[in-house]
Amino acid sequence: AQKVTQAQTEISVVEKEDVTLDCVYETRDTTYYLFWYKQPPSGELVFLIRRNSFDEQNEISGRYSWNFQKSTSSFNFTITASQVVDSAVYFCALSEASNTGKLIFGQGTTLQVKP
Amino acid sequence: DAGVIQSPRHEVTEMGQEVTLRCKPISGHDYLFWYRQTMMRGLELLIYFNNNVPIDDSGMPEDRFSAKMPNASFSTLKIQPSEPRDSAVYFCASSPDSQGVGTEAFFGQGTRLTVV
Repeated sequence: AQKVTQAQTEISVVEKEDVTLDCVYETRDTTYYLFWYKQPPSGELVFLIRRNSFDEQNEISGRYSWNFQKSTSSFNFTITASQVVDSAVYFCALSEASNTGKLIFGQGTTLQVKP
Repeated sequence: DAGVIQSPRHEVTEMGQEVTLRCKPISGHDYLFWYRQTMMRGLELLIYFNNNVPIDDSGMPEDRFSAKMPNASFSTLKIQPSEPRDSAVYFCASSPDSQGVGTEAFFGQGTRLTVV
């Protein structure tokens, strides 16, 4: 069964600190896809990144970076030099190739960046 | 493209009334999802369609909930009769994934439902 766990319910940091949001997933498929979404206070869900299970290369996009490790079934998200605008709820999600289209979300991590 | 369009954005209704939420997916997308978001349960997948056909409705909480997709450009989620515990934000999302590629889902703005 597919499952996504975000153990950190809430994180509070001061601006310019680095912060890592953890995501652990469970799946029996060998082909699957992992995602991160951001939900700012305005409420919409914004897609950030997608990785497939065959690509373990870490990715960097500006201040954002993602670390995918199949050995530990983790797909962690790091924000470098955090800013107040990064304050949001962040969701990790999983989609299995055998269950095409079904996107299951973790419980989300609320990040508060204080000035 | 205007993105996924949901209506209404806000709905307040009395317990026992029928509520219909509407969604227009992005043109050309094969998948449509309905999610419910609450503080207690987070983002729950209620049902999803592929090419207008319901694929998995195991997340639909009760028979009071029903969803339809009469064509590729329109879907509804109906609650009849509504109850206070149905109060939540309901999201519709669509995805172009038609080959098992696992593309991302694009979300609408959500409908905030309050049942009093």
